[in-house]
Amino acid sequence: GAGVSQSPSNKVTEKGKDVELRCDPISGHTALYWYRQSLGQGLEFLIYFQGNSAPDKSGLPSDRFSAERTGGSVSTLTIQRTQQEDSAVYLCASSFAGVEQYFGPGTRLTVT
Amino acid sequence: TQLLEQSPQFLSIQEGENLTVYCNSSSVFSSLQWYRQEPGEGPVLLVTVVTGGEVKKLKRLTFQFGDARKDSSLHITAAQPGDTGLYLCAGSNSGSNYQLIWGAGTKLIIKP
Repeated sequence: GAGVSQSPSNKVTEKGKDVELRCDPISGHTALYWYRQSLGQGLEFLIYFQGNSAPDKSGLPSDRFSAERTGGSVSTLTIQRTQQEDSAVYLCASSFAGVEQYFGPGTRLTVT
Repeated sequence: TQLLEQSPQFLSIQEGENLTVYCNSSSVFSSLQWYRQEPGEGPVLLVTVVTGGEVKKLKRLTFQFGDARKDSSLHITAAQPGDTGLYLCAGSNSGSNYQLIWGAGTKLIIKP
């Protein structure tokens, strides 16, 4: 079956613009995660969705970041008024009834 | 705050050599996972260890979970260029069955 997909794969934007990043999880996976990864570093947790429960937004770095998950499937991460420090790879992962997470290829965001 | 420290941060060795990567914490984890990430891709789960003292083998890779479930190691025998990548460990806390604690990773380069 298909794995986790993310789009776009690369995004270059000007400082101050808004961006939307999309994640399609594995079908049937109830949990969805967003992470941020700076070059060659570990993963920084951003937000977690589980079914219809309220998301855990504890990792969002500022109120410029938001995410939603529609119909328990596709998720969109929105960054408003982008800053240069937002440049990173944004990874999405999904899982089913467990802690093992399956990752998408990521979106590389560059803010100029 | 739970932390996972990985060492070394960077390792470059010749093909055919053996190596060990470590993942240490002062906290107890209910399970621990190892991922490998290649450039331009998301992390891929290699193994999950759940029992103190557990040893799992995946071809030339041997994973061990410490008896006290605070640390783990990954040993690669006769490393090959295809083993090149960023190796990440991630721990799960029984108090939070969805949020993983991530190490910063070990960047491994195997030279032919």
